[in-house]
Amino acid sequence: NAGVTQTPKFRVLKTGQSMTLLCAQDMNHEYMYWYRQDPGMGLRLIHYSVGEGTTAKGEVPDGYNVSRLKKQNFLLGLESAAPSQTSVYFCASIRRGTSHIRQYFGPGTRLTVL
Amino acid sequence: KQEVTQIPAALSVPEGENLVLNCSFTDSAIYNLQWFRQDPGKGLTSLLLIQSSQREQTSGRLNASLDKSSGRSTLYIAASQPGDSATYLCAVLNTDKLIFGTGTRLQVFP
Repeated sequence: NAGVTQTPKFRVLKTGQSMTLLCAQDMNHEYMYWYRQDPGMGLRLIHYSVGEGTTAKGEVPDGYNVSRLKKQNFLLGLESAAPSQTSVYFCASIRRGTSHIRQYFGPGTRLTVL
Repeated sequence: KQEVTQIPAALSVPEGENLVLNCSFTDSAIYNLQWFRQDPGKGLTSLLLIQSSQREQTSGRLNASLDKSSGRSTLYIAASQPGDSATYLCAVLNTDKLIFGTGTRLQVFP
């Protein structure tokens, strides 16, 4: 299987434009997450989902929307991009077993908003 | 609200030294704790994952310990090398959320 993939890998937007980032996993995981990482900082949680059709806010949700219409896909949308949203975006999914829980990460999407 | 802190924020050491990186968290009700390495401009490389029922994990020159009751984890790097230079991140998994620390930037010089 491909693990966790992110599309696109790079994108440049102008202020006010919209776009959608796609996170896909083929491991049948219930939990999926979107993070942003800014220079010199750790990863901050934007939104997450605990199952198909559910979403919840993380630490920094403003300016973003998400959808989880299919279990394998978690979409992150920017309706009106701002320079402050210039960042690297990481997606993760989690496999929850009875005794062993493991998280998997995508390679990241580098977004620049001019 | 879970808060994860890493100390020190930056560390510069000569090659060969043994190192200890610290990660502390405020909510001890965690499922697991994971240590990552991140090279500049790159993604996350998982180093060690400690389940809540475990006390430590080892991989090569790396050893990570977990003390849930005190809300602490340490990453021990033995005989450091210049190739170990990177940012090291810890992350804790609570019921639903995976929360990251701000990282320790490590530089090992020859």
